[in-house]
Amino acid sequence: AQKVTQAQTEISVVEKEDVTLDCVYETRDTTYYLFWYKQPPSGELVFLIRRNSFDEQNEISGRYSWNFQKSTSSFNFTITASQVVDSAVYFCALSGPKNYGGSQGNLIFGKGTKLSVKP
Amino acid sequence: DAGITQSPRHKVTETGTPVTLRCHQTENHRYMYWYRQDPGHGLRLIHYSYGVKDTDKGEVSDGYSVSRSKTEDFLLTLESATSSQTSVYFCAVQIGTGDYEQYFGPGTRLTVT
Repeated sequence: AQKVTQAQTEISVVEKEDVTLDCVYETRDTTYYLFWYKQPPSGELVFLIRRNSFDEQNEISGRYSWNFQKSTSSFNFTITASQVVDSAVYFCALSGPKNYGGSQGNLIFGKGTKLSVKP
Repeated sequence: DAGITQSPRHKVTETGTPVTLRCHQTENHRYMYWYRQDPGHGLRLIHYSYGVKDTDKGEVSDGYSVSRSKTEDFLLTLESATSSQTSVYFCAVQIGTGDYEQYFGPGTRLTVT
């Protein structure tokens, strides 16, 4: 069975601090996909990144970076120099390869980490 | 922007009444999904569709049915609403037919009294 664990329920930091959000996953698939979504206080869900299991290269996008380690089944998300606008709930998600018409490929979400960035 | 709208955005209904939520997309995406979001549970898949008239159950499908008679519309029906179905409901589409990310609609807040 697939499972995503975000052990940090809530994190509070002061602006300009770096913060890492942890994501640990379980899957038996050899090919799988990992995602991060952001849900700001306004409620919409915003896609941030998708990572394939066969590509362990870390990714950086501005102040955001993602560290994918298959050896520890982790896909952690770091925000550098956090800002108040980063305050949101962040969800990590996992899917297996899609089998057209089958249930494979559906997203399994973690329960989310609420990040509060204080000025 | 994946061109997704949901209606209504807010609804209050009484226990035992039927409720239909609508998800509409404008970009001809094949895959569509309905999730519910509850505190402490993250997002959980209710039903999904992989084409017109092709639907299947997700993790929490009991008490819900869906229909997709046109590519652009995916309807979620609560046959007889219960208080446990008070939640925020999100529709999502997948861009493309491979293994890609999903994009979400704005959500519908449903309260069952």
